[in-house]
Amino acid sequence: GDSVTQMEGPVTLSEEAFLTINCTYTATGYPSLFWYVQYPGEGLQLLLKATKADDKGSNKGFEATYRKETTSFHLEKGSVQVSDSAVYFCALIGTYKYIFGTGTRLKVLA
Amino acid sequence: DVKVTQSSRYLVKRTGEKVFLECVQDMDHENMFWYRQDPGLGLRLIYFSYDVKMKEKGDIPEGYSVSREKKERFSLILESASTNQTSMYLCASSSEWGEETQYFGPGTRLLVL
Repeated sequence: GDSVTQMEGPVTLSEEAFLTINCTYTATGYPSLFWYVQYPGEGLQLLLKATKADDKGSNKGFEATYRKETTSFHLEKGSVQVSDSAVYFCALIGTYKYIFGTGTRLKVLA
Repeated sequence: DVKVTQSSRYLVKRTGEKVFLECVQDMDHENMFWYRQDPGLGLRLIYFSYDVKMKEKGDIPEGYSVSREKKERFSLILESASTNQTSMYLCASSSEWGEETQYFGPGTRLLVL
């Protein structure tokens, strides 16, 4: 069945460091791919998405490219801020439902 | 602005109680979902609904039921709460399958004693 695998956290970085959170998927066909972010005490909100191969989603300095060859959708940011501290979820739309990864907690230190 | 609201942010119940969690969306979305979120397990789908009075089981429906009498409202019911149902419950909605984003409520943190 469809699945999403993302790197385990927590990830701890200093402010202005480069961020990569890995995400790979298994799916039939070419599903839309998403990154959601959950700030402390809140629900999830969409960070970015890509709907077809080679698409790049971007928002708030974050980027992710839909790589069909490697079935990946890694999240990157060139310079993280303390305010980026949150839990990040990779997700796809499967045949009948959304599939979420287990989440990666990011902590950014000043 | 898109909004999904949940009836409670925090709830404490006793084992065996019947628990109702309410979710309301104001976007006229067709699809609504209930997830539970647990550390290390991510989000797991409990039930979803793609239309009024329609419901489908997700991955972990045991011990839960749902009700969707109106398009904007989707209720999750714990028939007889148990301690292993202590969790964060998240409601979400989306307009259609395919490329669509899910919109989440703030979550209800339920503690069953």
